[in-house]
Amino acid sequence: KQEVTQIPAALSVPEGENLVLNCSFTDSAIYNLQWFRQDPGKGLTSLLLIQSSQREQTSGRLNASLDKSSGRSTLYIAASQPGDSATYLCAVLNNAGNMLTFGGGTRLMVKP
Amino acid sequence: GAVVSQHPSWVICKSGTSVKIECRSLDFQATTMFWYRQFPKQSLMLMATSNEGSKATYEQGVEKDKFLINHASLTLSTLTVTSAHPEDSSFYICSARSGGGYGYTFGSGTRLTVV
Repeated sequence: KQEVTQIPAALSVPEGENLVLNCSFTDSAIYNLQWFRQDPGKGLTSLLLIQSSQREQTSGRLNASLDKSSGRSTLYIAASQPGDSATYLCAVLNNAGNMLTFGGGTRLMVKP
Repeated sequence: GAVVSQHPSWVICKSGTSVKIECRSLDFQATTMFWYRQFPKQSLMLMATSNEGSKATYEQGVEKDKFLINHASLTLSTLTVTSAHPEDSSFYICSARSGGGYGYTFGSGTRLTVV
């Protein structure tokens, strides 16, 4: 059974810092990995999708890497801003099945 | 990009009544949709997988008679919370896989409060 873990569970940083959020998964037989952002009381917004054959994806100040063999992904946020404050979730899709397995999330607070 | 519309965004109902939540894929067809429940400061918990034209598949511990799912078309799935009780109060979110490299798209969620 796939298990996804995110570290840290919570993070508070001053504005301008570069951040690294970690995601690990136990079963490396994944189809893809997706990073989401969730604001309080809202749904999930997809940030980056990495296929199993890819090593990284970039969108603006966000960069996500994937090391499938070691079961790890990192989300790098450059020059953090208060508007980045939210919960970040990673989720993996296994080769077998069509359901996402979510990590517990990282609650990020960027202080002005 | 793929869009999933979920309504209502919030609802307050009396204990014992039923509430229906709709999930629509606006620009793609979704043979499968997923319903999640989320408690405060926790991650998403998959409740059931909704399959167009067939019965939903429920996760262990989820009461199928309480959480009725109907997926009558390729763009619409509904979740009905029957005989709602205060413990059913939660945030419910639906999602669908759109394909075309978009991965999974989520609705905006429904905050259900049972009083």
